[in-house]
Amino acid sequence: DAMVIQNPRYQVTQFGKPVTLSCSQTLNHNVMYWYQQKSSQAPKLLFHYYDKDFNNEADTPDNFQSRRPNTSFCFLDIRSPGLGDAAMYLCATSREENSYEQYFGPGTRLTVT
Amino acid sequence: GENVEQHPSTLSVQEGDSAVIKCTYSDSASNYFPWYKQELGKRPQLIIDIRSNVGEKKDQRIAVTLNKTAKHFSLHITETQPEDSAVYFCAASPASNFGNEKLTFGTGTRLTIIP
Repeated sequence: DAMVIQNPRYQVTQFGKPVTLSCSQTLNHNVMYWYQQKSSQAPKLLFHYYDKDFNNEADTPDNFQSRRPNTSFCFLDIRSPGLGDAAMYLCATSREENSYEQYFGPGTRLTVT
Repeated sequence: GENVEQHPSTLSVQEGDSAVIKCTYSDSASNYFPWYKQELGKRPQLIIDIRSNVGEKKDQRIAVTLNKTAKHFSLHITETQPEDSAVYFCAASPASNFGNEKLTFGTGTRLTIIP
């Protein structure tokens, strides 16, 4: 009965080697978010989709891209991972109207070697 | 944009005592204030939230209070138990009719319950 699913849970990539993280949801929520969370820090919003409408945060590096091919799936692409991109990446969803709660997935822990 | 400050960064309390975590926010347009609990290695989970049309909300041992004039809100946990040990994040969000509300998180409080 998992609602927000992230794959893989652990990802190891090499410096500069592109990597894609996946998120899917069974809630049929219109909004999907990607957060980066480093150790002992708050989640930092990278971008979010409202339906197909992409909203990038001003301080999100160009190295981070996202795709949302349909309501259920959203991908985070890191084009050239650096050592500083090692973090937990959290996907979250929220319902469309008058509902603010965000449902988080379990996260993908990214290691860059 | 919104800025949320959270204090303290770490808090240790004896089991059975109360714990209080405080947050302040800067944007007067914010009107939704959730609290998330994140256990080690797990996802953040909503434990309680409050909207600006109320001043206090309770759910069993957990309560949240909001002072819109002063722009601060607090989480209160009574009769603490070992399973309350976690990192707690406050957050704030402005109202929107578009369903794309963005949360601004505080920096987190690591709560440790001492048996």
